[in-house]
Amino acid sequence: DTEVTQTPKHLVMGMTNKKSLKCEQHMGHRAMYWYKQKAKKPPELMFVYSYEKLSINESVPSRFSPECPNSSLLNLHLHALQPEDSALYLCASSQGRGLGETQYFGPGTRLLVL
Amino acid sequence: AQKITQTQPGMFVQEKEAVTLDCTYDTSDPSYGLFWYKQPSSGEMIFLIYQGSYDQQNATEGRYSLNFQKARKSANLVISASQLGDSAMYFCAMSRAAGNKLTFGGGTRVLVKP
Repeated sequence: DTEVTQTPKHLVMGMTNKKSLKCEQHMGHRAMYWYKQKAKKPPELMFVYSYEKLSINESVPSRFSPECPNSSLLNLHLHALQPEDSALYLCASSQGRGLGETQYFGPGTRLLVL
Repeated sequence: AQKITQTQPGMFVQEKEAVTLDCTYDTSDPSYGLFWYKQPSSGEMIFLIYQGSYDQQNATEGRYSLNFQKARKSANLVISASQLGDSAMYFCAMSRAAGNKLTFGGGTRVLVKP
């Protein structure tokens, strides 16, 4: 089973709202990732968690706050977003052993910031 | 720094024919991984095939094969016997050891005609 689930599928929020995106995997993977994808562009890495510790932050603004409560769950907390943050947010997971691992992606959350 | 280039923004292919999607890369790392993902309009990134930089043989997965030419730094995807369901955006990506970060090319949109 190579399933990564993400909720919600769609989210509309105002610039003053606080919301969270959730990602879950039950493949026993120990690395999890958040990507942001703007329309007609490739995904861009935001954060990497390895063994529940934040290992990479690609200089993402602080209005995005990741959290990894356990090895199966990954959250992305959103606060005071801007309209330009509207995008598809993709979560992925991999085994966590290093180079060459396949990252398996979830279906994404389409976010619209008004 | 790593860079992935996909020079074909869009392609039409006749159903049941083969299609080759180009991908060139640039890296100074001796060890790296190359991936192809498919992204239908639904948004999910679907893993297709992987090639390691030290792999001697070209990778194959069902109707997908990867034409790996290390000296030319190219990793072209060949889809044989195209099906209507192959219509999607295709991304070439490269990972490197540090954090298993994926860097994506700009993508190629494929439309299969009946």
